[in-house]
Amino acid sequence: SQQGEEDPQALSIQEGENATMNCSYKTSINNLQWYRQNSGRGLVHLILIRSNEREKHSGRLRVTLDTSKKSSSLLITASRAADTASYFCATDRGNTDKLIFGTGTRLQVFP
Amino acid sequence: GAVVSQHPSWVICKSGTSVKIECRSLDFQATTMFWYRQFPKQSLMLMATSNEGSKATYEQGVEKDKFLINHASLTLSTLTVTSAHPEDSSFYICSARDLREIDEKLFFGSGTQLSVL
Repeated sequence: SQQGEEDPQALSIQEGENATMNCSYKTSINNLQWYRQNSGRGLVHLILIRSNEREKHSGRLRVTLDTSKKSSSLLITASRAADTASYFCATDRGNTDKLIFGTGTRLQVFP
Repeated sequence: GAVVSQHPSWVICKSGTSVKIECRSLDFQATTMFWYRQFPKQSLMLMATSNEGSKATYEQGVEKDKFLINHASLTLSTLTVTSAHPEDSSFYICSARDLREIDEKLFFGSGTQLSVL
């Protein structure tokens, strides 16, 4: 079953604006990951944050993790039209290699 | 990063036929691969874990006889949709971990769009 719930389901912004996506999960985790999917394609890993980390940066991406609230957020700063895609959070299931994906946020960035 | 190749990218078949999808790790060995299914505008649902040299483990609700998985080598896993029906039409994606990577991230194939007529 899906572990993560994301909001918003869809987000439309203008180029240059920031985009924030939120993810909530149900059970304890070792790490949380964010992936990007262009329409009809496979997924690409963006960033991983471990359960003992609170914030992580990678280029224009900023991820936060609040294990007490079982939630994470992904911030994309200074968005570009090329950022248009679906974004998924994913959590590990216990001590396995399995990743369970959230419901996803469809981001549309208008030029 | 590591590369996972998936073929075919799309396939159209008649109801009742079987379809085989291949997933290859091109530059690393993968003892474990994962198969996901995705409906339009929905998330990925884990179907099964493919284990090299042993039986695949299926998620609850996934029919083993319907979705046959074979992981005969360290670089190849195949998913065969047997006696396909229109309700099997979906986007199937495979993934694998590269154990040389520190992070526990997955590398994904480009997916296979299956349409059953």
